Amino acid sequence: DVKVTQSSRYLVKRTGEKVFLECVQDMDHENMFWYRQDPGLGLRLIYFSYDVKMKEKGDIPEGYSVSREKKERFSLILESASTNQTSMYLCASSIGYREAGYTFGSGTRLTVV
Amino acid sequence: GESVGLHLPTLSVQEGDNSIINCAYSNSASDYFIWYKQESGKGPQFIIDIRSNMDKRQGQRVTVLLNKTVKHLSLQIAATQPGDSAVYFCAEKRNKLVFGAGTILRVKS
Repeated sequence: DVKVTQSSRYLVKRTGEKVFLECVQDMDHENMFWYRQDPGLGLRLIYFSYDVKMKEKGDIPEGYSVSREKKERFSLILESASTNQTSMYLCASSIGYREAGYTFGSGTRLTVV
Repeated sequence: GESVGLHLPTLSVQEGDNSIINCAYSNSASDYFIWYKQESGKGPQFIIDIRSNMDKRQGQRVTVLLNKTVKHLSLQIAATQPGDSAVYFCAEKRNKLVFGAGTILRVKS
């Protein structure tokens, strides 16, 4: 069974900390995505990557960066965590053709205090 | 701009009844649509998809209907079961997926 694995289910971090959220997929997918999910706002795209060492800004990239050094791993970085970054973070991957859905991880619920 | 929205934020149905979840989209250039189900504490799971050159697609107990004239997408669940209780998202795709806010489906036993 194909999988997208997020390293942590729950995280609590302090304001100003640097936070790393890790995501690994075992499907050899070209594309990987980071979303945040907030009540009433649905899924909002933070960053995505179409290939190793490539990254593109999504709709809400401010306060975030990403790293994709290997095809299977896509990391989301909060350089200096703030309370408004408290959210559910979802990683997804997809094969690289147009009519392809995304496979999601189980999510990381991050609380910044 | 692109947007995908849902008419009803919460839908309650009796176990055994059919459920219909609706979605409106605004980008007529979208050529691929997906329905996802998200259970509590889990990531969204793929349910069914449909290409823009189709009007209807059926899966196991689920049917997706696409009306391009009015830019409307619906998900029909037959004989709704308690395990169907979840949040359902529609998503449209041109270059990447754009998600709606979600509809909560509650199944009453």
